[in-house]
Amino acid sequence: DIQMTQSPSTLSASVGDRVTITCRASQSISSWLAWYQQKPGKAPKLLIYKASSLESGVPSRFSGSGSGTEFTLTISNLQPDDFATYYCQQYNNYSPDTFGQGTKLEIK
Amino acid sequence: EVQLVESGGGLVQPGGSLRLSCAASGFTFSRYNMNWVRQAPGKGLEWISYIGSSNSSIYYADSVKGRFTISRDNAKNSLYLQMNSLRDEDTAVYYCTRDGGDVGDYWGQGTLVTVSS
Repeated sequence: DIQMTQSPSTLSASVGDRVTITCRASQSISSWLAWYQQKPGKAPKLLIYKASSLESGVPSRFSGSGSGTEFTLTISNLQPDDFATYYCQQYNNYSPDTFGQGTKLEIK
Repeated sequence: EVQLVESGGGLVQPGGSLRLSCAASGFTFSRYNMNWVRQAPGKGLEWISYIGSSNSSIYYADSVKGRFTISRDNAKNSLYLQMNSLRDEDTAVYYCTRDGGDVGDYWGQGTLVTVSS
């Protein structure tokens, strides 16, 4: 199976900051990568699909980039509602879907 | 409005069985592939099973293969997960998800399964 490694595991930031989370795949997944946001006690919410496509209704301060094995999620102008845990997921059709271990974004 | 509502979770002893259901509404259920994803307490997300829109394809994670069975009833707009030979490590919140363009675009609220004696 394809392994997904996120970094950092925890990130401390302030409202208004710009932050970047990285996700690395153990082999090339082209652009078959999604990003989710999860708040405590809630289901994950899709933010980005196909590495850089913004899901409908998601604020434009969220952006994704990358292809192959290295991907990033960038959140600009952090808002209080953005403090949550973020997961990447690869959905390459040739192997089971796998998720990164998560990045907890905390208020500094 | 798309809605996915899971049910059937609860406390079960190791070795026991449980059947989860996911009721779908707000979209044409028969046109979408569906998945089950779980999350152990305080842990990350784990995909466990996929079923094609017309039952044409079914896949399982190695961790549940041979013990869990995914199925669907398009006439009832429902997805199911039959879980047998449950283990302590199966304790988790179980989510059903809709595949929109191969990615989970809608998730249910989850149902908690606790395996404990």
